[in-house]
Amino acid sequence: GAGVSQSPSNKVTEKGKDVELRCDPISGHTALYWYRQSLGQGLEFLIYFQGNSAPDKSGLPSDRFSAERTGGSVSTLTIQRTQQEDSAVYLCASSPSPGQILTGELFFGEGSRLTVL
Amino acid sequence: DAKTTQPTSMDCAEGRAANLPCNHSTISGNEYVYWYRQIHSQGPQYIIHGLKNNETNEMASLIITEDRKSSTLILPHATLRDTAVYYCIVPGGSYIPTFGRGTSLIVHP
Repeated sequence: GAGVSQSPSNKVTEKGKDVELRCDPISGHTALYWYRQSLGQGLEFLIYFQGNSAPDKSGLPSDRFSAERTGGSVSTLTIQRTQQEDSAVYLCASSPSPGQILTGELFFGEGSRLTVL
Repeated sequence: DAKTTQPTSMDCAEGRAANLPCNHSTISGNEYVYWYRQIHSQGPQYIIHGLKNNETNEMASLIITEDRKSSTLILPHATLRDTAVYYCIVPGGSYIPTFGRGTSLIVHP
């Protein structure tokens, strides 16, 4: 389809393991966001990519979290040495916004549900 | 983002209009108001946005007060599938929308 695609949809891992979550944004969208949502909570911003600019990493909760976006398209969120508190749904969104001000809507994927045992 | 205030929860009878309020008293200048909703276990979905004038699309209507300090999202004929959490967002000069707790709307038969 033409929407934002995330994989895996579900991931169960053991505490201390590393995980990678993938996001395929809508083709041509220059802005890409990662959020996470813990059970019963709102969305927590993690990181933002805009074109070739340096990403805004201000929302990453610790240095165990990192993300990259290759070729201005696919993005991978990596969590090292996972902890139980990392359990959440990780949501990716893309937007056609060409600039630094939100001028269009965000299109979200279905999320990757991470469970750390 | 400008701060927004929404009721925690609301309910509505199926087939009736659902009117979801949002206060954004600190809104300024050319800041838009955006509405999203999140159906259980899905990613948020964009609904509508507006600046000053009322807006309508196939999903909903957005009524913004003249002073722009509040707005109301209207679902004219709510269905059970409209049960979701509704978020009102004013990103302002930020490129990072902040999603609060939103309003949990329950549409009952």
